[in-house]
Order: sequence, then structure tokens, then C-alpha cells
Amino acid sequence: SQTIHQWPATLVQPVGSPLSLECTVEGTSNPNLYWYRQAAGRGLQLLFYSVGIGQISSEVPQNLSASRPQDRQFILSSKKLLLSDSGFYLCAWSSASEAFFGQGTRLTVV
Amino acid sequence: GENVEQHPSTLSVQEGDSAVIKCTYSDSASNYFPWYKQELGKRPQLIIDIRSNVGEKKDQRIAVTLNKTAKHFSLHITETQPEDSAVYFCAARRGSYIPTFGRGTSLIVHP
Repeated sequence: SQTIHQWPATLVQPVGSPLSLECTVEGTSNPNLYWYRQAAGRGLQLLFYSVGIGQISSEVPQNLSASRPQDRQFILSSKKLLLSDSGFYLCAWSSASEAFFGQGTRLTVV
Repeated sequence: GENVEQHPSTLSVQEGDSAVIKCTYSDSASNYFPWYKQELGKRPQLIIDIRSNVGEKKDQRIAVTLNKTAKHFSLHITETQPEDSAVYFCAARRGSYIPTFGRGTSLIVHP
């Protein structure tokens, strides 16, 4: 069966520090991969999606970047965090139908 | 692209009452409509879904209806319980395209 791993679960980082969140998927090949953010409120804001290795599409301009170095690995990064980057980050992959979410990372920038 | 509107943003009911959450979508080619439940601090998880060739689907206390002509779909929860309290997201998807999510509904069930 397919599983998705996302880590860390919580992270507290100072302003200006770098960020790296990692997500890996098991049990499927060539998945579509996504990074979402939930800031204040409840909406799922799509940040990046990837349909294959090295293929990244950005939905909104921001202080973050994403990379997909391997088929089942998706990384969210920042060179210098801002206070506004705080939020709940969710990695997801989708089959032909539903999306499966990782457990999320609660990022607090202080 | 697809646009999904979800209402209400907050819904407060008494235990045992029914709850209805409504979504509309803009892309008539969308053919898959999942609903996700997200408990506080946890990941969204699929609770029910419906495809465009079906008008209604039921699973115990939850049901989803789809009106393709009007491009809207709804989640119905009967006999609500406190553990139903969560944020619910609808989504619409066309084939293997990116799913588009609604903004979420915070359901509060009072004991």
C-alpha cells in the first residue's frame, strides 16, 4: 500500500534561517506531488506541485522553493525564513482520484 | 482554471442535528469530487467522494449529492456527534489535473 512520510512534525526556526522540509512517498511510482500551506484560517493554499523528477510548478510567488531530486521525494526549502512563513505545511500525493496527505509540519518562525 | 466555492465557513449545530455543507465549482469538465475531514492539528483525510456519473452516494451517517447541471455538490451529515467536529474541505478535479479545494468549513457539534 502507499504511504507518505513528512518530517519534521514541528519546527521552530529564527527569522533569516534556512528551511528544509522533506516528503517521501512509498508504494507508488511517478506520483503527482504537492506542497500546501495552511496559515491563519483553514484554507489549503497550493504552493508547488510536481508531475515528475525535476519538474516543479509554483502557484504563488513567495520566499520558498521546491525540488524533486527523486521520483518519490519532494523537498520544500527556503534560504531565509520570514515571520510570515509560519504555518502548517502539508505534503500530498495524488493517484488518479483522491489526494493523500502527509502528517504535516507545524513551522513557527520566531 | 477550476474555482471551488464552499459555504458556510463555520457551522455550529447541536448533537443529533443534521449538518449540510455546500460547494460549487466552475469547470464543467470536473469529474471527481472528494470530501476531506481535518481534525485539529492533523492531516486532511478522505471521508467520501463522488464521481460525475453518480448523483448521490451514502456511507452510514454521511452522504454526498452532486448536481452536474448546476455544478454544485453537498455533504450531508446526519445525527451529528461531537467527534464530527472538524474542518471539512470539498474539492473538484478533472482527470489527473490538480485537485482544487474549497476554503473549508469549521463544523462545531455541541454536546
